[in-house]
Formats: sequence, structure tokens, C-alpha cells
Amino acid sequence: DADVTQTPRNRITKTGKRIMLECSQTKGHDRMYWYRQDPGLGLRLIYYSFDVKDINKGEISDGYSVSRQAQAKFSLSLESAIPNQTALYFCATSDGKIQETQYFGPGTRLLVL
Amino acid sequence: KQEVTQIPAALSVPEGENLVLNCSFTDSAIYNLQWFRQDPGKGLTSLLLIQSSQREQTSGRLNASLDKSSGRSTLYIAASQPGDSATYLCAVSGGSYIPTFGRGTSLIVHP
Repeated sequence: DADVTQTPRNRITKTGKRIMLECSQTKGHDRMYWYRQDPGLGLRLIYYSFDVKDINKGEISDGYSVSRQAQAKFSLSLESAIPNQTALYFCATSDGKIQETQYFGPGTRLLVL
Repeated sequence: KQEVTQIPAALSVPEGENLVLNCSFTDSAIYNLQWFRQDPGKGLTSLLLIQSSQREQTSGRLNASLDKSSGRSTLYIAASQPGDSATYLCAVSGGSYIPTFGRGTSLIVHP
């Protein structure tokens, strides 16, 4: 089984709709991250959380919100989706120890019409 | 603000060639540097991680080097194979442990 899972894997929605992307991990890591990837722009950080009570904005948090329901779960919400939020979204974890290797989920492909 | 640049943006080579991918960063006060592989439409897979105190790491046919003072890292792939075709991303983390990613090098190895 995958260590970091994301649901849904693909989603089509309409402008103005609220949607939630979910991430779960079985690695026991405290640190979790949400990124978006756009062609030609690389990965950009949306939000990150270093433990259950810690939530921090990343580079591009406007229009997004997150919830850290438990150590293993980190959800990303688009309050009112717009077409320029069409992208590939990744969740990642790291162990918060010396190595800080990041482990990525398979991604959610989101299309906002 | 840390900026990470990867050159070249795309590379096409015949099978068997040894190749070098480059990554440069603007702030040398880093905690670690990580190289990832991404297959089309898939997530990222960590290949190698170099701590700031290290100069290189090796895994199989892959070797990554780090020169903090010049703000550079290279990923060397020996005897390339078609299965190496993917996008390779470099990510640099500073004291906050938050990585900054480059835009990647898209590699095609043709038979």
C-alpha cells in the first residue's frame, strides 16, 4: 500500500464550487505539505503543517484553506474554485528529523471549468 | 528569497550516454538538497538527498554532488537507459526546512 494517498485522483468542477482534496499518510510523519504544479512553473507551496496544531501559509495560499484533522490527515479546500486553480495538486510528508526527505502522494488532477 | 534554477530545461540523448543535470541556487545557507524524479502525471520520487555538510551521494548509477559555496549541485547519470526518461527536479531546503523547487529538467533517453 502507498505511504501517502490522495483522494480524489481526478476531479472536474465548476467555477464557484467548494471542493476538498484529501491526503492521508501511514508514515507516521508529523510534517505535511500541499503543493500545486503548473506546466513550466514547477512546484509551489500552498500550505504546510509541522504538527496537528500548526498550520502555516506557503507561497500561494490565497483562495485555499487547510485542515489538519489528525497526524495522518491533511485536507486542502478550495472555497470557491476558479479556472486558474486548474493544476496538479500534491501532498507530501517529511519526518521532521535530520534527513527531512520529502515523500509525495500520487497527485490530484483538478480541472475547474 | 531562495531561487533554484535547473539547466537544461530539456535533454534528449541516445541510450548509453553518461549525462549531467545541473541545479543552481542563490542562497548558500541551505540545510539539504534533494533530487527527485517525476514520471508524466505521477508524483515525485526522492532519488538522493545531500545534507549541507556532505559533498556527494551515490545510488546505483546516480551520483549527486553539492558545492554549497558556489551554489551548485549536479546529478550524474551513468550509462543512461530509456527507463531513465522522466523529469528530474532539484529542491533546496534552508533553516525553515521548507524546500524550494526548481522547474526541472525533462530527460528523454532514446534507444
